[in-house]
Amino acid sequence: QAGLAQPPSVSKGLGQTATLTCTGNNNNVGNSGADWLQQRQGHPPKLLFYRDNNRPSGISERLSASRSGNTASLTITELQPEDEADYYCSAWDGSLRDQLFGGGTKLTVL
Amino acid sequence: QLQLQESGPGLVKPSETLSLTCTVSGASISRGSYYWGWVRQPPGNGLEWIGSVFSGGNTYYSPSLKSRATISADASKNQFSLTLSSVTAADTAVYYCSRVFDFWGPGTFVTVS
Repeated sequence: QAGLAQPPSVSKGLGQTATLTCTGNNNNVGNSGADWLQQRQGHPPKLLFYRDNNRPSGISERLSASRSGNTASLTITELQPEDEADYYCSAWDGSLRDQLFGGGTKLTVL
Repeated sequence: QLQLQESGPGLVKPSETLSLTCTVSGASISRGSYYWGWVRQPPGNGLEWIGSVFSGGNTYYSPSLKSRATISADASKNQFSLTLSSVTAADTAVYYCSRVFDFWGPGTFVTVS
Protein backbone atom coordinates (compact mmCIF):
# COMPACT_ATOMS: atom_id res chain seq x y z
CA GLN A 1 0.00 0.00 0.00
CA ALA A 2 1.30 3.42 -0.94
CA GLY A 3 2.10 5.76 1.89
CA LEU A 4 4.77 6.75 4.36
CA ALA A 5 5.53 4.37 7.23
CA GLN A 6 6.06 5.72 10.73
CA PRO A 7 6.21 3.75 13.99
CA PRO A 8 2.95 4.35 15.88
CA SER A 9 4.64 5.19 19.16
CA VAL A 10 7.97 5.97 20.76
CA SER A 11 8.62 6.40 24.48
CA LYS A 12 11.73 7.95 25.96
CA GLY A 13 12.79 9.40 29.29
CA LEU A 14 13.14 13.04 30.20
CA GLY A 15 16.47 14.38 28.91
CA GLN A 16 16.99 11.45 26.56
CA THR A 17 17.18 11.47 22.76
CA ALA A 18 14.41 10.25 20.48
CA THR A 19 14.78 9.44 16.80
CA LEU A 20 11.62 9.10 14.72
CA THR A 21 11.67 7.56 11.27
CA CYS A 22 9.60 7.89 8.10
CA THR A 23 10.04 5.40 5.29
CA GLY A 24 8.78 5.93 1.77
CA ASN A 25 10.12 5.04 -1.66
CA ASN A 26 11.91 6.49 -4.65
CA ASN A 27 8.78 8.32 -5.80
CA ASN A 28 8.27 10.34 -2.62
CA VAL A 29 10.79 10.64 0.22
CA GLY A 30 13.67 9.46 -1.94
CA ASN A 31 12.87 12.02 -4.63
CA SER A 32 11.37 15.14 -3.05
CA GLY A 33 12.47 14.77 0.55
CA ALA A 34 10.25 14.93 3.61
CA ASP A 35 8.61 17.54 5.78
CA TRP A 36 8.17 17.04 9.52
CA LEU A 37 5.24 18.40 11.53
CA GLN A 38 4.45 18.35 15.23
CA GLN A 39 0.89 18.29 16.50
CA ARG A 40 0.10 18.78 20.15
CA GLN A 41 -3.27 17.65 21.44
CA GLY A 42 -6.02 20.01 20.34
CA HIS A 43 -3.78 22.15 18.16
CA PRO A 44 -3.10 22.42 14.43
CA PRO A 45 0.13 20.94 13.08
CA LYS A 46 3.33 22.97 13.26
CA LEU A 47 6.05 22.72 10.64
CA LEU A 48 9.39 21.61 12.08
CA PHE A 49 11.42 20.92 8.93
CA TYR A 50 10.80 21.11 5.20
CA ARG A 51 12.53 19.30 2.36
CA ASP A 52 14.50 17.07 4.71
CA ASN A 53 16.47 19.39 6.97
CA ASN A 54 15.45 23.00 6.38
CA ARG A 55 14.41 24.54 9.68
CA PRO A 56 11.83 27.38 9.82
CA SER A 57 12.68 30.21 12.17
CA GLY A 58 11.80 29.61 15.77
CA ILE A 59 12.31 25.85 15.77
CA SER A 60 14.51 24.65 18.60
CA GLU A 61 18.02 23.50 17.78
CA ARG A 62 17.38 20.46 19.95
CA LEU A 63 15.56 19.18 16.86
CA SER A 64 17.37 17.98 13.76
CA ALA A 65 16.31 16.14 10.63
CA SER A 66 18.07 14.09 7.98
CA ARG A 67 17.45 11.59 5.21
CA SER A 68 19.19 8.49 3.98
CA GLY A 69 17.76 7.16 0.76
CA ASN A 70 14.03 6.59 1.21
CA THR A 71 14.04 7.03 4.99
CA ALA A 72 13.78 10.40 6.71
CA SER A 73 14.60 10.85 10.39
CA LEU A 74 13.74 13.41 13.05
CA THR A 75 15.94 13.53 16.14
CA ILE A 76 15.00 15.35 19.32
CA THR A 77 17.68 15.66 22.00
CA GLU A 78 17.30 16.57 25.68
CA LEU A 79 13.66 15.57 25.67
CA GLN A 80 11.31 17.90 27.53
CA PRO A 81 7.68 17.41 28.59
CA GLU A 82 6.58 19.84 25.87
CA ASP A 83 8.02 17.51 23.22
CA GLU A 84 5.22 15.06 23.94
CA ALA A 85 3.10 15.21 20.79
CA ASP A 86 2.22 13.46 17.55
CA TYR A 87 4.83 13.80 14.81
CA TYR A 88 3.95 13.46 11.12
CA CYS A 89 6.11 13.26 8.04
CA SER A 90 4.88 14.30 4.62
CA ALA A 91 6.20 14.07 1.09
CA TRP A 92 5.01 14.71 -2.45
CA ASP A 93 4.68 11.54 -4.49
CA GLY A 94 5.43 12.33 -8.11
CA SER A 95 4.07 9.02 -9.36
CA LEU A 96 0.76 9.15 -7.49
CA ARG A 97 0.51 12.95 -7.84
CA ASP A 98 -0.44 12.98 -4.18
CA GLN A 99 0.83 14.70 -1.04
CA LEU A 100 1.32 11.81 1.37
CA PHE A 101 1.33 11.85 5.14
CA GLY A 102 2.68 9.17 7.40
CA GLY A 103 0.35 7.72 9.99
CA GLY A 104 2.11 9.70 12.70
CA THR A 105 4.25 8.76 15.70
CA LYS A 106 3.03 9.47 19.21
CA LEU A 107 6.05 10.52 21.27
CA THR A 108 5.71 9.98 25.01
CA VAL A 109 8.22 11.58 27.36
CA LEU A 110 8.44 9.51 30.54
CA GLN B 1 2.24 37.85 10.66
CA LEU B 2 0.38 35.53 8.32
CA GLN B 3 -2.89 34.21 9.74
CA LEU B 4 -5.45 31.82 8.32
CA GLN B 5 -9.00 31.24 9.53
CA GLU B 6 -11.44 28.59 8.39
CA SER B 7 -15.16 29.27 8.31
CA GLY B 8 -18.25 27.33 7.31
CA PRO B 9 -21.06 25.15 8.63
CA GLY B 10 -20.18 22.73 11.39
CA LEU B 11 -22.93 20.30 10.41
CA VAL B 12 -23.67 18.93 6.94
CA LYS B 13 -26.25 16.33 5.98
CA PRO B 14 -25.23 13.12 4.18
CA SER B 15 -25.22 13.40 0.37
CA GLU B 16 -25.01 17.19 0.55
CA THR B 17 -22.05 19.47 -0.21
CA LEU B 18 -19.56 20.68 2.38
CA SER B 19 -18.33 24.24 1.79
CA LEU B 20 -15.51 25.91 3.69
CA THR B 21 -13.64 29.16 3.25
CA CYS B 22 -10.18 30.12 4.43
CA THR B 23 -9.59 33.82 4.99
CA VAL B 24 -5.95 34.86 4.84
CA SER B 25 -4.51 37.97 6.47
CA GLY B 26 -0.96 39.27 6.48
CA ALA B 27 -0.08 38.20 2.94
CA SER B 28 -1.66 38.04 -0.49
CA ILE B 29 -2.59 34.60 -1.75
CA SER B 30 -1.88 35.69 -5.31
CA ARG B 31 1.71 36.83 -4.67
CA GLY B 32 4.80 34.71 -4.36
CA SER B 33 5.16 31.04 -5.18
CA TYR B 34 3.08 29.34 -2.55
CA TYR B 35 0.58 26.52 -2.35
CA TRP B 36 -2.56 27.13 -0.31
CA GLY B 37 -4.21 23.91 0.71
CA TRP B 38 -6.71 21.94 2.70
CA VAL B 39 -5.89 19.07 5.07
CA ARG B 40 -8.35 17.13 7.18
CA GLN B 41 -8.10 14.95 10.26
CA PRO B 42 -10.88 12.52 11.23
CA PRO B 43 -11.40 12.14 14.99
CA GLY B 44 -8.54 10.18 16.51
CA ASN B 45 -6.83 9.71 13.16
CA GLY B 46 -3.97 11.18 11.18
CA LEU B 47 -3.69 13.93 8.61
CA GLU B 48 -5.04 13.65 5.05
CA TRP B 49 -4.23 16.06 2.25
CA ILE B 50 -7.29 17.12 0.26
CA GLY B 51 -5.76 19.45 -2.30
CA SER B 52 -4.02 22.74 -2.97
CA VAL B 53 -4.21 25.81 -5.17
CA PHE B 54 -1.02 27.47 -6.36
CA SER B 55 -0.58 31.22 -6.26
CA GLY B 56 -0.83 31.21 -10.03
CA GLY B 57 -4.16 29.43 -9.92
CA ASN B 58 -3.37 25.81 -10.73
CA THR B 59 -5.10 23.27 -8.53
CA TYR B 60 -3.99 19.85 -7.33
CA TYR B 61 -6.11 17.20 -5.62
CA SER B 62 -5.67 13.99 -3.74
CA PRO B 63 -6.52 11.18 -6.17
CA SER B 64 -8.88 9.69 -3.58
CA LEU B 65 -10.93 12.91 -3.33
CA LYS B 66 -10.45 14.39 -6.76
CA SER B 67 -13.90 13.39 -8.01
CA ARG B 68 -15.64 15.21 -5.14
CA ALA B 69 -13.36 18.11 -4.17
CA THR B 70 -13.05 21.57 -5.69
CA ILE B 71 -10.65 24.24 -4.46
CA SER B 72 -10.88 27.78 -5.71
CA ALA B 73 -9.24 31.08 -4.85
CA ASP B 74 -10.64 34.62 -4.72
CA ALA B 75 -7.73 37.03 -4.75
CA SER B 76 -10.00 40.05 -4.33
CA LYS B 77 -11.15 38.71 -0.94
CA ASN B 78 -7.81 37.01 -0.16
CA GLN B 79 -9.67 33.77 0.42
CA PHE B 80 -9.58 30.24 -0.89
CA SER B 81 -12.37 27.74 -0.60
CA LEU B 82 -13.13 24.03 -0.51
CA THR B 83 -16.26 22.29 -1.64
CA LEU B 84 -16.68 18.56 -1.11
CA SER B 85 -19.72 16.97 -2.68
CA SER B 86 -21.76 13.88 -1.77
CA VAL B 87 -20.46 13.76 1.78
CA THR B 88 -20.83 10.76 4.08
CA ALA B 89 -20.06 10.14 7.73
CA ALA B 90 -16.49 9.30 6.67
CA ASP B 91 -16.01 12.97 5.82
CA THR B 92 -16.49 13.97 9.46
CA ALA B 93 -13.21 15.60 10.45
CA VAL B 94 -11.36 18.70 11.53
CA TYR B 95 -10.61 20.64 8.34
CA TYR B 96 -7.49 22.80 8.27
CA CYS B 97 -6.41 25.35 5.72
CA SER B 98 -2.70 25.94 5.35
CA ARG B 99 -0.07 27.77 3.42
CA VAL B 100 1.45 24.41 2.70
CA PHE B 101 2.65 23.68 5.37
CA ASP B 102 4.32 26.57 7.23
CA PHE B 103 1.17 28.37 8.40
CA TRP B 104 -2.08 26.78 9.52
CA GLY B 105 -5.53 27.86 10.54
CA PRO B 106 -6.89 26.66 13.89
CA GLY B 107 -9.14 24.15 12.13
CA THR B 108 -12.89 23.73 12.00
CA PHE B 109 -14.75 20.57 12.94
CA VAL B 110 -17.33 19.42 10.43
CA THR B 111 -19.80 16.71 11.31
CA VAL B 112 -21.72 14.85 8.61
CA SER B 113 -24.98 13.67 10.12
